Amino acid sequence: AQRVTQPEKLLSVFKGAPVELKCNYSYSGSPELFWYVQYSRQRLQLLLRHISRESIKGFTADLNKGETSFHLKKPFAQEEDSAMYYCALSFSSNTGKLIFGQGTTLQVKP
Amino acid sequence: EPEVTQTPSHQVTQMGQEVILRCVPISNHLYFYWYRQILGQKVEFLVSFYNNEISEKSEIFDDQFSVERPDGSNFTLKIRSTKLEDSAMYFCASSRDTMSEAFFGQGTRLTVV
Repeated sequence: AQRVTQPEKLLSVFKGAPVELKCNYSYSGSPELFWYVQYSRQRLQLLLRHISRESIKGFTADLNKGETSFHLKKPFAQEEDSAMYYCALSFSSNTGKLIFGQGTTLQVKP
Repeated sequence: EPEVTQTPSHQVTQMGQEVILRCVPISNHLYFYWYRQILGQKVEFLVSFYNNEISEKSEIFDDQFSVERPDGSNFTLKIRSTKLEDSAMYFCASSRDTMSEAFFGQGTRLTVV
């Protein structure tokens, strides 16, 4: 079955430190991977997706098909990055359904 | 910037009662979704809807659930006879097509007592 795993519930770092939020997936075909972010009291919003290969707010993520991973990285964390981050997988191009991981709370301390 | 709007933001209902959660998707979007998140758990897909019919539904989406697009703007989720375990945050989302970004509403917190 298709699954997304985010092993860390909480990641706490100091401002300026590098951040890596882990995401692994299980799917035998060609997945589409996303990172969604939810800031405090705001709605879920797309941060980035692997096919666009963009850097958004300093975050990047590379799809590693060999390791079935799509880790989210930022070299220098900022306090405003504190939020809940969800990795999500889409594989059904007919319906657009997303499968989410458990989410990781990123806490950036001053 | 256009947004997906959900009403109400919080609904409390008694077990066994029917509830209707409402969503107004972004106007030029054609694909609509409902997800739910039980407290402390992951966001789970419930159903996708396109061209006035369900295109995919999960195991959670049993006969107690139904969706409807009653007019050109609203997209509703009905739970016919609520159970305690239906208590969750329900998110509506819409997208232009299945490969485009899904935009989420702010959610409706449903509490079944």
